[in-house]
Amino acid sequence: EPEVTQTPSHQVTQMGQEVILRCVPISNHLYFYWYRQILGQKVEFLVSFYNNEISEKSEIFDDQFSVERPDGSNFTLKIRSTKLEDSAMYFCASMWTKGTDTQYFGPGTRLTVL
Amino acid sequence: LAKTTQPISMDSYEGQEVNITCSHNNIATNDYITWYQQFPSQGPRFIIQGYKTKVTNEVASLFIPADRKSSTLSLPRVSLSDTAVYYCLVGMDTGRRALTFGSGTRLQVQP
Repeated sequence: EPEVTQTPSHQVTQMGQEVILRCVPISNHLYFYWYRQILGQKVEFLVSFYNNEISEKSEIFDDQFSVERPDGSNFTLKIRSTKLEDSAMYFCASMWTKGTDTQYFGPGTRLTVL
Repeated sequence: LAKTTQPISMDSYEGQEVNITCSHNNIATNDYITWYQQFPSQGPRFIIQGYKTKVTNEVASLFIPADRKSSTLSLPRVSLSDTAVYYCLVGMDTGRRALTFGSGTRLQVQP
């Protein structure tokens, strides 16, 4: 069964550093998402991406965040200057088409900001 | 998206049937009901989706009464591996739009 993959599984960084989290969505999917989950808290939506542009974003997704689909297969989330409060699990998700289709989540990247 | 209410936690034993009920009093006409499962340190996983009456797949059943103000996820004969958090989501076109997760129901299955 096809699945969403994410790398790395765990990223440790110093406060103020830039990080790039990578995702490979399921190959024929068209809609892409990033969510995050701070330890012990709810899964929170960050951004959705379709047709090479952001279609929706949350208040969390401020100017420190950016997304890109550089080569038609990878989908990346960049955090320009990490803060301690960015420490969380980051999940990528993808979906084939709109409607009542479902989003398929990756295993996540645990980001630890020191 | 419609507000949902579900129990914070439930306990069960292996082999039992587990029913988790979700209330969504302000569900709109076009809203679908979707359930996700999340294991620790993993991403949420789609379980089942329905609009009305009953839906069944290889994992679970979803019961939706006629007024659609609640729904019940039924897991037959649970095992230890069903220990997870279960989320009820209600909304129109829940695939395309951002998913809004609540706190979910933490199911603990014991031997």
